Amino acid sequence: GEDVEQSLFLSVREGDSSVINCTYTDSSSTYLYWYKQEPGAGLQLLTYIFSNMDMKQDQRLTVLLNKKDKHLSLRIADTQTGDSAIYFCAESMEAGTASKLTFGTGTRLQVTL
Amino acid sequence: DAGVTQSPTHLIKTRGQHVTLRCSPISGHKSVSWYQQVLGQGPQFIFQYYEKEERGRGNFPDRFSARQFPNYSSELNVNALLLGDSALYLCASSSRTGLGTQYFGPGTRLLVL
Repeated sequence: GEDVEQSLFLSVREGDSSVINCTYTDSSSTYLYWYKQEPGAGLQLLTYIFSNMDMKQDQRLTVLLNKKDKHLSLRIADTQTGDSAIYFCAESMEAGTASKLTFGTGTRLQVTL
Repeated sequence: DAGVTQSPTHLIKTRGQHVTLRCSPISGHKSVSWYQQVLGQGPQFIFQYYEKEERGRGNFPDRFSARQFPNYSSELNVNALLLGDSALYLCASSSRTGLGTQYFGPGTRLLVL
């Protein structure tokens, strides 16, 4: 089945770490992505992880993948007000000769002073 | 380098009309995908094109069609518009079909009255 779930809302204080969680159901997913969407804008690719990896770090971003539990998380260190946005996780699946992204509903991150 | 570009940025139509949305991929990218994002939800896959051929189609009615041109730009056409077609339409490009990372444009916001 194709279903990606995320919590809807997360509020953190500036300077704290944010952890956004995602669960997916398709074990054949090969890549898992995190995208950021600011109000009225398109999707900005933040990072991705290949399914044979457990962790990937990219500056303030850390992605953890638990393939057994089909759980993906994005940790943002030293969260800033500019990080306020909606964060989508997405799994990439083969669809015939194409690949398609299946997105979660998004987690709205609010950063307070 | 220019990213993915889409036109127009905003569009207002009435029920029953048709609409054409346009997308230019990142230079060198040969694959274009289209997604529909209804307010408050994650994007839903509509089509993927590669080398001017349709490679994948999501669960959308036949009122939705697309094509890709020799310069790899793409058009999404929607006929007989319904109120429920109001959404942000996102175009994404990737360097290849299969599991290529997809980079998104800013989207076209369509409002059907």
